[in-house]
Amino acid sequence: GENVEQHPSTLSVQEGDSAVIKCTYSDSASNYFPWYKQELGKRPQLIIDIRSNVGEKKDQRIAVTLNKTAKHFSLHITETQPEDSAVYFCAASIGGRSGGSNYKLTFGKGTLLTVNP
Amino acid sequence: DGGITQSPKYLFRKEGQNVTLSCEQNLNHDAMYWYRQDPGQGLRLIYYSQIVNDFQKGDIAEGYSVSREKKESFPLTVTSAQKNPTAFYLCATRTGATDTQYFGPGTRLTVL
Repeated sequence: GENVEQHPSTLSVQEGDSAVIKCTYSDSASNYFPWYKQELGKRPQLIIDIRSNVGEKKDQRIAVTLNKTAKHFSLHITETQPEDSAVYFCAASIGGRSGGSNYKLTFGKGTLLTVNP
Repeated sequence: DGGITQSPKYLFRKEGQNVTLSCEQNLNHDAMYWYRQDPGQGLRLIYYSQIVNDFQKGDIAEGYSVSREKKESFPLTVTSAQKNPTAFYLCATRTGATDTQYFGPGTRLTVL
């Protein structure tokens, strides 16, 4: 089955700096890659996602890049703010545009991001 | 994801007892999922259901059971066969038209 590795496990940055979190996946059939943000004791919330037919996607201060050949994707947060502090999870699945779709998300173990004021 | 409710928020269980966690949704989503989250770990898939009256095992189904008799409901039973049930349990839903999963607020289960 799919295996997703996420690095680093913890990341501390100064307010205003950029943060980058990287994930690798094992199943070349995976074609859907969401990122979730989870604050302490709360539910994970989708912040951005990307499909394998796209190399990069941006939404304000957040961007995700995908390298299908190397099977890795990354989350980039620019101009970090204290409210960005949370655990971030990457995930991968074989989504609805593939004949072998299973819609099963496999998650990385998470990155605890701390933004220091 | 405001249309997904999980109850109770906190649950305490004695060893050897079965317990059922509730997940209800009013989003009219076809698919529902159960995940387990342990400290420092990602989310691991327990069971999922793509349609009413059908469900499949996820990666860690042993010691758990589910039913999907109604589109709105997907209860999870943690049985006494689950060796280490203390964890944060999250339910998620997905509309059939997209890949995106939305999460409920979770139930924190503690075995005493």
